[in-house]
Amino acid sequence: GAVVSQHPSWVICKSGTSVKIECRSLDFQATTMFWYRQFPKQSLMLMATSNEGSKATYEQGVEKDKFLINHASLTLSTLTVTSAHPEDSSFYICSARWMSYGYTFGSGTRLTVV
Amino acid sequence: AQTVTQSQPEMSVQEAETVTLSCTYDTSESDYYLFWYKQPPSRQMILVIRQEAYKQQNATENRFSVNFQKAAKSFSLKISDSQLGDAAMYFCAYRSAISNSGYALNFGKGTSLLVTP
Repeated sequence: GAVVSQHPSWVICKSGTSVKIECRSLDFQATTMFWYRQFPKQSLMLMATSNEGSKATYEQGVEKDKFLINHASLTLSTLTVTSAHPEDSSFYICSARWMSYGYTFGSGTRLTVV
Repeated sequence: AQTVTQSQPEMSVQEAETVTLSCTYDTSESDYYLFWYKQPPSRQMILVIRQEAYKQQNATENRFSVNFQKAAKSFSLKISDSQLGDAAMYFCAYRSAISNSGYALNFGKGTSLLVTP
């Protein structure tokens, strides 16, 4: 149980375009979703926390207008990278909290901006 | 914000041997949770073990066990009888018990574990 499906697993987009990453909780209701960014051989850096039906809380230094997060339902959260640039290329991972202290992670999305 | 420190960027262990990965953290809280996650080359995050700070007993999961020293703020992971499949990046993570943090996990920088035959 407690599976999060993340799509796409990889995407290549042109500089200046937008790309949307989806995370769906398949067998539970994810009231809280976390979005992380991971550079090669580095740690997971928290970008934002989203709660269903409310605005996301962004970490310091994360551009809200560039990384749009929507958590409109208990089973779907999306991250849209707007006007992507090569420096946005990275590995993005979503994570949902279930139960009191259980966390499940999506399989990640590798974004390459060319 | 709480700081999680993993001082070993890389570790190596021979198959069937035991290895210990270190993790220290900085917090002023008395109640929290600690985790070890494994990230293999697939990059899927896999929970290895979890420890509640209020529990004095060290958590164990089969070949994986922790040495939780609350006063020293240390949370090391011991892998016994290492297997080739244990090769991965290992992340230590901290979670506050206070809701104003959103209950997000705060990760250390990771330790890359190499298992040699």
